[in-house]
Amino acid sequence: KNQVEQSPQSLIILEGKNCTLQCNYTVSPFSNLRWYKQDTGRGPVSLTIMTFSENTKSNGRYTATLDADTKQSSLHITASQLSDSASYICVVSARNTDKLIFGTGTRLQVFP
Amino acid sequence: KAGVTQTPRYLIKTRGQQVTLSCSPISGHRSVSWYQQTPGQGLQFLFEYFSETQRNKGNFPGRFSGRQFSNSRSEMNVSTLELGDSALYLCASSRVGDSSYEQYFGPGTRLTVT
Repeated sequence: KNQVEQSPQSLIILEGKNCTLQCNYTVSPFSNLRWYKQDTGRGPVSLTIMTFSENTKSNGRYTATLDADTKQSSLHITASQLSDSASYICVVSARNTDKLIFGTGTRLQVFP
Repeated sequence: KAGVTQTPRYLIKTRGQQVTLSCSPISGHRSVSWYQQTPGQGLQFLFEYFSETQRNKGNFPGRFSGRQFSNSRSEMNVSTLELGDSALYLCASSRVGDSSYEQYFGPGTRLTVT
């Protein structure tokens, strides 16, 4: 069964600190993996999208890594800001179905 | 370039009623997908339309239906509303109906069923 699991479920950090969010998936055959940021009450916004051949992709202070062998991805946030407080959702697509499988997200809260 | 727009943004209905939500994709985008988001379940795929045809469907009852018009605008209908239908309904558009293409989400419609 195609699944995407994220950890931790929630995370609290202080402003200026770094943090790493995890995503493990069992989707096969793999097409691509995306990380989205969703502010409360808003639609998700894409941060990165990676295909099988990509190991790392950055978007400002956000860096996503992908290990297709172990089926793991991480999202690293550097020098966190209050505006980083949001839910971060990992989404994986399977190559033969065009369907997106969503993780349940990690809720990040950044405090001053 | 205008983003994905959804109307209405907020809606309150009572059990048994029906509701229609609207989504206007980004200009030039022909694929529209609908999702239900609840705190416990996260984002759940409802269906996807491409060129006025339903291409994919999630595991939701037949009370949930949709359609897409020739201008790519899409509507989603929920009949005989239940309390459990209370959720944020999101639509997303992409240029083509291919999962390798970027999806752009709208702000969502917050539906409350009382």
